[in-house]
Amino acid sequence: NAGVTQTPKFRILKIGQSMTLQCTQDMNHNYMYWYRQDPGMGLKLIYYSVGAGITDKGEVPNGYNVSRSTTEDFPLRLELAAPSQTSVYFCASSSFSTGRGTYNEQFFGPGTRLTVL
Amino acid sequence: DAKTTQPTSMDCAEGRAANLPCNHSTISGNEYVYWYRQIHSQGPQYIIHGLKNNETNEMASLIITEDRKSSTLILPHATLRDTAVYYCIVEKAAGNKLTFGGGTRVLVKP
Repeated sequence: NAGVTQTPKFRILKIGQSMTLQCTQDMNHNYMYWYRQDPGMGLKLIYYSVGAGITDKGEVPNGYNVSRSTTEDFPLRLELAAPSQTSVYFCASSSFSTGRGTYNEQFFGPGTRLTVL
Repeated sequence: DAKTTQPTSMDCAEGRAANLPCNHSTISGNEYVYWYRQIHSQGPQYIIHGLKNNETNEMASLIITEDRKSSTLILPHATLRDTAVYYCIVEKAAGNKLTFGGGTRVLVKP
């Protein structure tokens, strides 16, 4: 099992450019998430998905788009890159929580370090 | 508003127990306490979670006060590889969405 993989590891964008951050998991997890982490801060949830075809906004969705066409993949799209989007982006996945008292931990990828100049 | 309060940083000696406090005075009855850690800019790693009983696993122990307003994560024998930022998170079990605060930066010294 590779777990959660993210590409690219590093990227520099110019203001106004667009790009897609790739995330793939091979654990057959229903739930997938995108977080961003600014220097010295905790992670903030951008978008999440509870299954293929279903996505929802997190705490900081502005400037991003997502899609979930398969269980394995959850790409994050930046349409018009801005300096405020300079951050480290983490993708995570987890199994479906079956009820009270159960918890399925989130597994995180290694991150994508994005700089917008 | 942050649901948890943690010290910004702490040091501990290698081989000794590390006790990491967390205050969560507004925790509600259906919310759990979760602990994750992040080693040097890697993705966070799950450690342990609990509702009201103390919990122990191969990584750590979690002690929750009877009123559930605070908890302590215990790393029984800290090693240099335990140097990391430790996040205490309070959330409901369903949905699995996590809200990370600033965490505690733990430095294990030889």
